Amino acid sequence: QQQVKQSPQSLIVQKGGISIINCAYENTAFDYFPWYQQFPGKGPALLIAIRPDVSEKKEGRFTISFNKSAKQFSLHIMDSQPGDSATYFCAAEASGNTPLVFGKGTRLSVIA
Amino acid sequence: EPEVTQTPSHQVTQMGQEVILRCVPISNHLYFYWYRQILGQKVEFLVSFYNNEISEKSEIFDDQFSVERPDGSNFTLKIRSTKLEDSAMYFCASNEGGWSYNEQFFGPGTRLTVL
Repeated sequence: QQQVKQSPQSLIVQKGGISIINCAYENTAFDYFPWYQQFPGKGPALLIAIRPDVSEKKEGRFTISFNKSAKQFSLHIMDSQPGDSATYFCAAEASGNTPLVFGKGTRLSVIA
Repeated sequence: EPEVTQTPSHQVTQMGQEVILRCVPISNHLYFYWYRQILGQKVEFLVSFYNNEISEKSEIFDDQFSVERPDGSNFTLKIRSTKLEDSAMYFCASNEGGWSYNEQFFGPGTRLTVL
């Protein structure tokens, strides 16, 4: 019930391609869905986040698509660059100032 | 830009020893968290802290763990008697609180190695 399932575990994309990472959840109390980016040796950093009252949010090359009825959300990275190579975590939060529940992470490698 | 800091960056200890991990959250933040990440696995919640008391804890946060805010800036995680399975990266996070969702800012982590 508290899990967030993330796929794929790893992803290799050509430079300029589209990277797509998917997440699914069961707990309908989740009301906030951030994506975090983590580089080796660093802590997770917020990349983009969405509330379920919208179906899509775009910030630069990064887009979250949200399907409330299917309880799924995904991250799309357009024009992927080698500098995007990192581990990406989806997460969910049930209400403000409460713990984040993380997916298992996707290791993205963007190759030239 | 304000950031969460953590010390030490790497701690090596013997099984059964006590360790204290330290964090300095962002100064105007009100909610503080500890998470851990076992190598190659997901980030897991340990405990949250607000108004000088624990607000929520996970099943991982057993009697071996404790948290404290000894002064106006530091936030510490103590593991009383470390076990091999405590080896992980420990992240401190904070957010400013308020009525709406806001970003949890993570520190760079402390890598704990228990031998």
